This record gives sequence, structure tokens and C-alpha cells, in this order.
Amino acid sequence: AQSVTQPDIHITVSEGASLELRCNYSYGATPYLFWYVQSPGQGLQLLLKYFSGDTLVQGIKGFEAEFKRSQSSFNLRKPSVHWSDAAEYFCAVGATYKYIFGTGTRLKVLA
Amino acid sequence: ETGVTQSPTHLIKTRGQQVTLRCSSQSGHNTVSWYQQALGQGPQFIFQYYREEENGRGNFPPRFSGLQFPNYSSELNVNALELDDSALYLCASSSEGYPNEKLFFGSGTQLSVL
Repeated sequence: AQSVTQPDIHITVSEGASLELRCNYSYGATPYLFWYVQSPGQGLQLLLKYFSGDTLVQGIKGFEAEFKRSQSSFNLRKPSVHWSDAAEYFCAVGATYKYIFGTGTRLKVLA
Repeated sequence: ETGVTQSPTHLIKTRGQQVTLRCSSQSGHNTVSWYQQALGQGPQFIFQYYREEENGRGNFPPRFSGLQFPNYSSELNVNALELDDSALYLCASSSEGYPNEKLFFGSGTQLSVL
């Protein structure tokens, strides 16, 4: 079955520290993978996506993600977190016409 | 600003009632999808409309139905509301087909069923 797992429900980091959010997927074919961010009271905003090619993809706001087929992972990283990055982050896999989302990771940033 | 507007922002209904949620997409966005996001969960796909026809549906019962109109607006209708229908309902539109589409999400309608 197609699924996305985000093992960390909450993560707290200090401003300026590096960040890695984990995502594991289960999908039978070549996956299309996405990371979205959701701020309180807002809809989802696309950070980056992977379809094929280079396994390291760059996104907006200084985020990047690396696709590792052998580990079925698509982890999101940022070298230096800003207070404005506090939000909920969702990993998703594209399945034909729909997206399957993980349960999200809530990021808290300490000043 | 995504150009996708949902109304109302909040809604309170009682069990058994019917509700209509609305979404207004950007001009030219001929695909609209609806997602349900329960508290503490990721969004779950309800259905997708393309050029006013439903072309994909998730694991939701028939009491969840939708309409898409030529003016790039759409509706999500839920009949016989149940307590578990309490959630944030998100509308997402795009102008290109999967998988090259960029989805534009609205801010959602928070539905509470009492």
C-alpha cells in the first residue's frame, strides 16, 4: 500500500542550528515526492519536489531534500534555521492524481 | 497569496445536517482537488475534478460530493454530518496535469460538527 511516514511528530531546534526532517515512503513505482509547509491558519505551500534526475533537490526558503531509493527516504534539510521556519511540515508522495501525505512534523524554533 | 479562496473560514454544524463549502480558484486552473485534514493528521484526498467532471476519488463515502463550475469555482457538499467529519477542509487547484502540476492550496474551512 502507498504510504508516507514521518517519524518525528515534534522537533525543537535553536535558531541558527541545522535541521533535518525525516520522511519514509512506500510506493510501488518510481515516486514523485514533495515537501509542503503549513503555517497556522494557512494552506499548504510547496517547498520542493522530486520527480527524477539529481537526487538532491533545492527548494524555496533555503530548504533542500535528498532522495535515497535504497532507504525509501526523502529527508528535508536546512543548514541554518530561522525563527520564521516554525511551522508544520508535510512530506507527500504523488499517486497518479492524488497526493498521500504523512502526518506531519511540527517544528519549534527557540530564539 | 495563492489565489485560492475558501469560504467560510469557520463553520459549526450539528450531527445530521448538511454543509456546503466553497472554493474559488485562479483563472485558468481547470483542476481542483479537495482534502480533509483532521486534527493532528496530514491531509487526506477526497476527490478531484477536472473540467467539471470527477476524475478521481479517495476513500470517502458518497455523502461527500462535489461540483466544479466553469467560472473556476467549486463546492464540497457533505450530507448527514457525523462527528468525525470535524476537520479542516482544503481546496487545491492547478492549471497543469499530474505530475507537473503545482498545487495552490487555499487556507481551508474549519468545520466543527457538534
